[in-house]
Amino acid sequence: AQTVTQSQPEMSVQEAETVTLSCTYDTSESDYYLFWYKQPPSRQMILVIRQEAYKQQNATENRFSVNFQKAAKSFSLKISDSQLGDAAMYFCAYRTQGAQKLVFGQGTRLTINP
Amino acid sequence: KAGVTQTPRYLIKTRGQQVTLSCSPISGHRSVSWYQQTPGQGLQFLFEYFSETQRNKGNFPGRFSGRQFSNSRSEMNVSTLELGDSALYLCASSDEEGGPYEQYFGPGTRLTVT
Repeated sequence: AQTVTQSQPEMSVQEAETVTLSCTYDTSESDYYLFWYKQPPSRQMILVIRQEAYKQQNATENRFSVNFQKAAKSFSLKISDSQLGDAAMYFCAYRTQGAQKLVFGQGTRLTINP
Repeated sequence: KAGVTQTPRYLIKTRGQQVTLSCSPISGHRSVSWYQQTPGQGLQFLFEYFSETQRNKGNFPGRFSGRQFSNSRSEMNVSTLELGDSALYLCASSDEEGGPYEQYFGPGTRLTVT
């Protein structure tokens, strides 16, 4: 069974600085997808960024980028120029190709200090 | 397009009762997945429906069931409620049209069992 581990339950960063959230996963499959989801307090979960395992190039979405290391089964999220609105729970998730089941990590609570 | 909607948003039930939660996916999306979110267990996959058929099921007891209608709306039912069923229940929909089929989440139904 696939597992996803986020080793940082909480992190904090100063506004405008850069922060990196860690995620490792375990799978025996070669084709899969990885996601980072953001869940602000009492608000809906939204997709931040996704990565297809067959792509070597790391995904980037504006201030958000990932460092995907397939051999190491590592998928970290870097947030540049942190903003107050980035404060949220961040979940790393894994999905097998062809199936809708998402396997989530335990989440990292990110606090942005003004 | 309107996002994923879930009703009711909040629910209080007593142990032993049953409850039905509803999810309306984004228009055109045929896949609907359900997740349970608790502080202790995190986000766990319950089941997924596609075109009125259950395609995947998580490791939950038979008290948890679901169905999907021809218009893709989905319901989940929990019978004989237990205190441990108190959770945020999230629904997500996906269109499965190319790409990694990203899931769009609803705001959730907060169920409290007393």
